[in-house]
Amino acid sequence: NAGVTQTPKFRVLKTGQSMTLLCAQDMNHEYMYWYRQDPGMGLRLIHYSVGEGTTAKGEVPDGYNVSRLKKQNFLLGLESAAPSQTSVYFCASSYRLTGTDYGYTFGSGTRLTVV
Amino acid sequence: EDQVTQSPEALRLQEGESSSLNCSYTVSGLRGLFWYRQDPGKGPEFLFTLYSAGEEKEKERLKATLTKKESFLHITAPKPEDSATYLCAVQAMSTDKLIFGTGTRLQVFP
Repeated sequence: NAGVTQTPKFRVLKTGQSMTLLCAQDMNHEYMYWYRQDPGMGLRLIHYSVGEGTTAKGEVPDGYNVSRLKKQNFLLGLESAAPSQTSVYFCASSYRLTGTDYGYTFGSGTRLTVV
Repeated sequence: EDQVTQSPEALRLQEGESSSLNCSYTVSGLRGLFWYRQDPGKGPEFLFTLYSAGEEKEKERLKATLTKKESFLHITAPKPEDSATYLCAVQAMSTDKLIFGTGTRLQVFP
């Protein structure tokens, strides 16, 4: 049981390049989330999904797009990377009733540097 | 606006020296308050969920408590392996999303 798997773990991009971060979960969770974590800012929600084929904006969605074509996968895309998108990105998943003792399950993160 | 503030930002303890971490919150109807542990280079790991004022939960040397305005994470006789960043998050009744605080970085030295 792998939980939440993120790929890649590290990436360096040049300004203007594009890339896709992949998140996969094997717990049959309905909800999936993308967060970014920056020093002194805490975890901030980028986009989230409440089910296959649905997505919604979070707190800091600008410059990112997402897709959830399959229940187990949630993709985060950067169309034209900017230095301000240098961060550690975390994917998480949860059951529909988040107010349970299970909380969110997080992946191990992707460290992205945009130069 | 829903908000979470954690204090202190950093805490250094000697092994065996008990202490508490604070999480103050403002939310429009609390569905749940969550505590997570995060080790360097890893994702947050779920510890507890608290739902209503007066509730307490324990796990090994950790005990979480909840009031209408704040939550405390009490660490009893900590060990070096308890060193980590502890994150607090709240979920409002009207949303499926968690709002996280910036965390308390705990160091326990022998």
